[in-house]
Amino acid sequence: EDQVTQSPEALRLQEGESSSLNCSYTVSGLRGLFWYRQDPGKGPEFLFTLYSAGEEKEKERLKATLTKKESFLHITAPKPEDSATYLCAVGGSGYSTLTFGKGTMLLVSP
Amino acid sequence: EAQVTQNPRYLITVTGKKLTVTCSQNMNHEYMSWYRQDPGLGLRQIYYSMNVEVTDKGDVPEGYKVSRKEKRNFPLILESPSPNQTSLYFCATFVNTEAFFGQGTRLTVV
Repeated sequence: EDQVTQSPEALRLQEGESSSLNCSYTVSGLRGLFWYRQDPGKGPEFLFTLYSAGEEKEKERLKATLTKKESFLHITAPKPEDSATYLCAVGGSGYSTLTFGKGTMLLVSP
Repeated sequence: EAQVTQNPRYLITVTGKKLTVTCSQNMNHEYMSWYRQDPGLGLRQIYYSMNVEVTDKGDVPEGYKVSRKEKRNFPLILESPSPNQTSLYFCATFVNTEAFFGQGTRLTVV
């Protein structure tokens, strides 16, 4: 059974204070690891897909990295508008499903 | 603009009264899915559809039905809703590895 664990559950940062969110996973046949951003009351918004260990992707202040057991979402010099819940998901060998973690709620204070 | 549209956005109903939540996508994607999101449990897949007339159970299908008579629509049917189906529901469509989510339907069953 595919499993995804995200930590921490919640993170509070000051504006400009860089940090990382963790996503550890177990999956049979990784088809991809996905990061989403979710604002309150809205649907998740796609950020990144990572396919293999060593891969990195960047978007503005966000950088996602992948190893064989975990992924990190690095947030550099965050701004208050980066406040959201960040979800990690894995696609296993079966195309049909994504298994989501419970998310990390990020709050960036001015 | 790529869109996944759910209706209604909010719904309060009584136990046992059949209801349907509609989902429509304008991207001509084959794959569609329904999720529910609950505090502390994250996103869990209810049903998915790989194509027209092809549907299958996800992780939490009990108490739900779906149909896929045409590619763009994937309604979620609760024939006899119960209070434990109070949740935030998301419809999603996928192309390759990128998922597009609807804005969500917040359902309360009293």
